[in-house]
Amino acid sequence: DIRMTQSPSTLSASVGDRVTITCRASQSVSIWLAWYQQKPGKAPKVLVSKASNLESGVPSRFSGSGSGTDFTLTISSLQPDDFATYYCQQYHTYLYSFGQGTKLEI
Amino acid sequence: EVQLVESGGGLIQPGGSLRLSCAASGFSVSNNYMSWVRQAPGSGLEWVSILYSSGSTYYIDSVKGRFTISRDNSRNTVYLQMNSLRAGDTAVYYCARSVNGIVDYWGQGTVVTVSS
Repeated sequence: DIRMTQSPSTLSASVGDRVTITCRASQSVSIWLAWYQQKPGKAPKVLVSKASNLESGVPSRFSGSGSGTDFTLTISSLQPDDFATYYCQQYHTYLYSFGQGTKLEI
Repeated sequence: EVQLVESGGGLIQPGGSLRLSCAASGFSVSNNYMSWVRQAPGSGLEWVSILYSSGSTYYIDSVKGRFTISRDNSRNTVYLQMNSLRAGDTAVYYCARSVNGIVDYWGQGTVVTVSS
């Protein structure tokens, strides 16, 4: 199984800040990586697929990059609605897997 | 409209069994990749099992030999049979549909609590 490790686990930031979340895979997943945003009591929402493809309707302040084992999700200018928990997910192998999550807090 | 509705969760003693159900509408489970994803209290998401349209199934190591994912095409329902339950299986269990590797629909979740 591929293990996904995110850092940091918690990130404190302010509105307007630029923040970056990192995701590392235990083996190469090529570009088969997605990023999700989850708010309390809600199902996760996909933001990015194939490492860098922004999903329809997702604000352009979100961006993803990387390939192989190292990936990043960047939010260029934090908005109040962005404070949530973020997960990376690989879909390179038959059984997919998530990172442990990064909680973005004020 | 696509909907996933889970049921079958509850409080169960360690070593016990439960069967979770996920009733789908708006699409056919037989033609899609269906999964169970769980989230333990205060923890992140964990992909537990996936059932491909081909019928192939995969599980995380911690549930292999104890959990079985299956589907009933006539009922358009996916199941997760959970045996030999442990405290570490306590979580909200979500049914999910994935397309091209991405989850596009989630159920509302069903709570499984394993405790004596």
